[in-house]
Amino acid sequence: EVQLVESGGGLVQPGRSLRLSCAASGFIFDDYAMHWVRQAPGKGLEWVSGISWNSGSTGYADSVEGRFTISRDNAKNSLYLQMSSLSPEDTAFYYCGKGLSAAIYGGTDHWGQGTLVTVSS
Amino acid sequence: DIQMTQSPSSVSASVGDRVTITCQASLGISNWLAWYQQKPGKAPKLLIYAASSLQSGVPSRFSGSGSGTDFTLTINSLQPEDFATYYCQQANSFPLTFGGGTKVEI
Repeated sequence: EVQLVESGGGLVQPGRSLRLSCAASGFIFDDYAMHWVRQAPGKGLEWVSGISWNSGSTGYADSVEGRFTISRDNAKNSLYLQMSSLSPEDTAFYYCGKGLSAAIYGGTDHWGQGTLVTVSS
Repeated sequence: DIQMTQSPSSVSASVGDRVTITCQASLGISNWLAWYQQKPGKAPKLLIYAASSLQSGVPSRFSGSGSGTDFTLTINSLQPEDFATYYCQQANSFPLTFGGGTKVEI
C-alpha cells in the first residue's frame, strides 16, 4: 500500500524558513516523480513544485519560484521542500503526492494527509 | 502559464442525476489532463488521468473526455458519496495548474 507521510509543518514567522519532509513507502520511490501541492484554508488546490525520478527535472509555481526548493533522497525514500522568505500567503496545508510516472508530467495518483504551515507573527 | 477555467463553480444535484463538469485550458494541452475529487478535510483523490483513463478502483460512473483545450468530467447516476469538490489539472507544462474547482452539492 502506498503511504506518504508529511512532516515539518507548524507556525513560522514571516520571512523565516521551513523545511517540509515526506516519507514514502509501499512503492519503488525512485521510479516515480513526486510533487508538492498546497491548499490554503477554504481555498482551491495549488500545485507548488514537482521533481522527476532522478532529480533531473524540477518545476515550480510562479508564486514560489526562487523561494522554494524541492529535492529528494532516493536512498531514504524521502521528498523535501525547503521554503524560505515565507509570507502569510504561504499559509496552507501542504500535500506530498506521487506522480503517475517517472516524469513530472501526468498527474498525481496518491497523496499524503498533508501538513499545515501557518505563517504569522 | 496555462490557465484552467472550470465550470460551473458549484452545482446542485440529486442522487441518480447525471452531472457534467467542464474544464477549458487557455492553450492546447493534448490529453494531459487529470481530474480529482476532494472531500472536506481529506486529501484529493485521482479519478481520471490522460483526459479519459479511469484510475484503478474508481467507479465506472465517472468518465472523462476531451482533448486540446476542452475537457469534460461526467458522473452518471450520482451517488451520496459523490458529493464533493472536483478539480481538473493540466499536466502538460510547468506550472501544472489546477482549475478553480466545482462543488457538487445537494
